[in-house]
Amino acid sequence: QKEVEQDPGPLSVPEGAIVSLNCTYSNSAFQYFMWYRQYSRKGPELLMYTYSSGNKEDGRFTAQVDKSSKYISLFIRDSQPSDSATYLCAMSAYNNNDMRFGAGTRLTVKP
Amino acid sequence: DTEVTQTPKHLVMGMTNKKSLKCEQHMGHRAMYWYKQKAKKPPELMFVYSYEKLSINESVPSRFSPECPNSSLLNLHLHALQPEDSALYLCASSQPPSGRVAGETPFEQYFGPGTRLTVT
Repeated sequence: QKEVEQDPGPLSVPEGAIVSLNCTYSNSAFQYFMWYRQYSRKGPELLMYTYSSGNKEDGRFTAQVDKSSKYISLFIRDSQPSDSATYLCAMSAYNNNDMRFGAGTRLTVKP
Repeated sequence: DTEVTQTPKHLVMGMTNKKSLKCEQHMGHRAMYWYKQKAKKPPELMFVYSYEKLSINESVPSRFSPECPNSSLLNLHLHALQPEDSALYLCASSQPPSGRVAGETPFEQYFGPGTRLTVT
């Protein structure tokens, strides 16, 4: 079993749709949960992070962590064509540099 | 300046060649990372340097040799690579966590654009 599982998609939605991206994990030591966005031929860039369980909102993006279910989500409201990218979840344990990435979900938002 | 630069952008090398990848950051970060990313796969951690010392080596074959000559530079020396080593090599940097505060703001890793390596 992989430490971090993420459906690679691809996922295609019309502009303005709500997008839901998810990851599950098996390592209960993970406490930091990140979402990275990677455009084609670019390095990943951090979108949001959450420590332990709970929700976090930043503009059109909402991150949710449910540690009891080992399940994290990223919601994108009012999706835009510029949101088209690969979204990677990533996790790490406390005081630990070794971040583990999910497979990444390729998202396309069609105008 | 939140930029991590990597050179070269593209590299084609034979299996008997020796080459080096370079990474540079001027954000004052004291942790630097090498990742390998195959097409349509997530980045896989290879090495972590913290305060210019190798702190994590994820059982990477010895044909990959990292070097951190100073706090701004990170190199990856390549020798006798195999075709399956062809991938995008990403460098990242961050502040290392202090390890003293539970729930401290996690270290954002800033990634470079990568070097696309092809081994023939």
